[in-house]
Amino acid sequence: AQTVTQSQPEMSVQEAETVTLSCTYDTSENNYYLFWYKQPPSRQMILVIRQEAYKQQNATENRFSVNFQKAAKSFSLKISDSQLGDTAMYFCAFMKHSGTYKYIFGTGTRLKVLA
Amino acid sequence: GAGVSQSPRYKVTKRGQDVALRCDPISGHVSLYWYRQALGQGPEFLTYFNYEAQQDKSGLPNDRFSAERPEGSISTLTIQRTEQRDSAMYRCASSLRTSEMLETQYFGPGTRLLVL
Repeated sequence: AQTVTQSQPEMSVQEAETVTLSCTYDTSENNYYLFWYKQPPSRQMILVIRQEAYKQQNATENRFSVNFQKAAKSFSLKISDSQLGDTAMYFCAFMKHSGTYKYIFGTGTRLKVLA
Repeated sequence: GAGVSQSPRYKVTKRGQDVALRCDPISGHVSLYWYRQALGQGPEFLTYFNYEAQQDKSGLPNDRFSAERPEGSISTLTIQRTEQRDSAMYRCASSLRTSEMLETQYFGPGTRLLVL
């Protein structure tokens, strides 16, 4: 069975600084996708970034980038130039490439950006 | 519509009552997923559909939970004889193509269910 672990329940960062959220996962699959979702106080789930496991190049989306280490089964999210609107719960999610295409979510990291 | 919508947004019910939660996916999206999210936790998979066909219901906690999507669009998650432990946020998500295409899932705002 797949598991996703987010070991940082809470983090804070000063506005304009950079922060990295960690995520590790356990799987025997070779093909899979990884995602980071943001859940602001409004409780909506918003896709931040996704990474295909077969791609070696780390995904980037504007201020958001990932450090994907397949051998180490690590998938961290880096937020550059943090903004107050980045304050949210961040969930790491895994989806395997076979069977049921469901997300396996981690327990989340609560990020607070300080003015 | 512009996004996934769910109704009601909040539902308070008494233990033993049945509830029906509705999900209206993004227009044209063929796959639809139901998740349950406890406070402070990540969403937990319940079931999903490709078009009107229910593909996997292994995440449904017990036989009091059921879901349908009769015309391949709107879906209803029904909980019979509700219990206090059913209290949670119920989230729906949809994706453009069938799940096998590993499409990104877009989530609705959720229905917060409180069973008294």
